[in-house]
Amino acid sequence: AQSVSQHNHHVILSEAASLELGCNYSYGGTVNLFWYVQYPGQHLQLLLKYFSGDPLVKGIKGFEAEFIKSKFSFNLRKPSVQWSDTAEYFCAVNPREYGNKLVFGAGTILRVKS
Amino acid sequence: EAGVAQSPRYKIIEKRQSVAFWCNPISGHATLYWYQQILGQGPKLLIQFQNNGVVDDSQLPKDRFSAERLKGVDSTLKIQPAKLEDSAVYLCASSPLPSGGFYEQYFGPGTRLTVT
Repeated sequence: AQSVSQHNHHVILSEAASLELGCNYSYGGTVNLFWYVQYPGQHLQLLLKYFSGDPLVKGIKGFEAEFIKSKFSFNLRKPSVQWSDTAEYFCAVNPREYGNKLVFGAGTILRVKS
Repeated sequence: EAGVAQSPRYKIIEKRQSVAFWCNPISGHATLYWYQQILGQGPKLLIQFQNNGVVDDSQLPKDRFSAERLKGVDSTLKIQPAKLEDSAVYLCASSPLPSGGFYEQYFGPGTRLTVT
């Protein structure tokens, strides 16, 4: 069965540090890729998405992600984190032949120290 | 635009009791999803409705879980009887009707269920 792996469950960074969160998926077909974020006490919300085209996608709040097809990866990056980026981040995959279904990774809890 | 509404926000029950969760999707969204999120894991799809029909319920434990979406709007998810391992956050999401592409899913605040 397809799966989504997030490399780190907890990450602690100081403000202004660079962030990279890893995501790998096991599905071999064509996929759409997403990063969702859940800030403390808030709903899951979409951070960015990749459907096709330029493999480097930019999302809200200065986040970006790079799709590397050969590595089945979709890593999330931010050059300089802020205290307000403290949240849980989920990678999700939509195998296109599965309609609108999302498969989520286990999530990475990011804590940014001020 | 109002978001996805869910109630209750929190529920504590004893094992073997029954419980029901309610979801009101974004107005006009034809597709509704119920996810289960166990602590330390990502959301897992339980059931997907398109209007009032079931599209995918392959991961719904049908011996104890049931869901309905009468009239293609609100939905309820029921657990009867509950087990300890059902402790989780139950998320509802909705999206417009997919037509040749992927439509963003919008999530509600979730219902945190604790089974003791």
